[in-house]
Amino acid sequence: AQSVAQPEDQVNVAEGNPLTVKCTYSVSGNPYLFWYVQYPNRGLQFLLKYITGDNLVKGSYGFEAEFNKSQTSFHLKKPSALVSDSALYFCAVRENSNYQLIWGAGTKLIIKP
Amino acid sequence: GAGVSQTPSNKVTEKGKYVELRCDPISGHTALYWYRQSLGQGPEFLIYFQGTGAADDSGLPNDRFFAVRPEGSVSTLKIQRTERGDSAVYLCASSLTGFSGANVLTFGAGSRLTVL
Repeated sequence: AQSVAQPEDQVNVAEGNPLTVKCTYSVSGNPYLFWYVQYPNRGLQFLLKYITGDNLVKGSYGFEAEFNKSQTSFHLKKPSALVSDSALYFCAVRENSNYQLIWGAGTKLIIKP
Repeated sequence: GAGVSQTPSNKVTEKGKYVELRCDPISGHTALYWYRQSLGQGPEFLIYFQGTGAADDSGLPNDRFFAVRPEGSVSTLKIQRTERGDSAVYLCASSLTGFSGANVLTFGAGSRLTVL
């Protein structure tokens, strides 16, 4: 069965420091991987996706994510965190061309000035 | 429109009442999805439309929930005999097509339903 795990409910980072939000997945076919961000009282916004090709994917707002097939991970990273990055981050996966997105439970990112 | 529009943004109702939530997707997007999100959780799939038809309604929790998309654009999620457990944020999303795994979903801001 397909699944997504975000092992940390919350991540705290000081402004200016690098940040990592972890995501691991389980699918039987080729994974299509996504990160979305949710700010308070707003809908989910697409950040980046991995479909094929280069394992390092760059997205919006300076975020990037690295696809690691052997570890079945797709961790979200940013070299230097901003207070405005504080939000809820969701990892999601599709298997092959299946339309269904399987979502993680989300990680709350708090960036302290 | 420029984005996915959902109305109302907030709805408070009493247990047992009927509720309709509306979603206006991005123009030209053939695929439309309804999700439900509870506090501290990821989105929970409810139903997926491809055009006018419900391609997958396996996520609807019971027969009190129903959704339509009669002209392949605007969709309405209908909840009969609401219960307190229905309280959640109902999210609508659309994508250009549902047949590509690479499709990105564009979400609306959600409709927060509170059942007293």
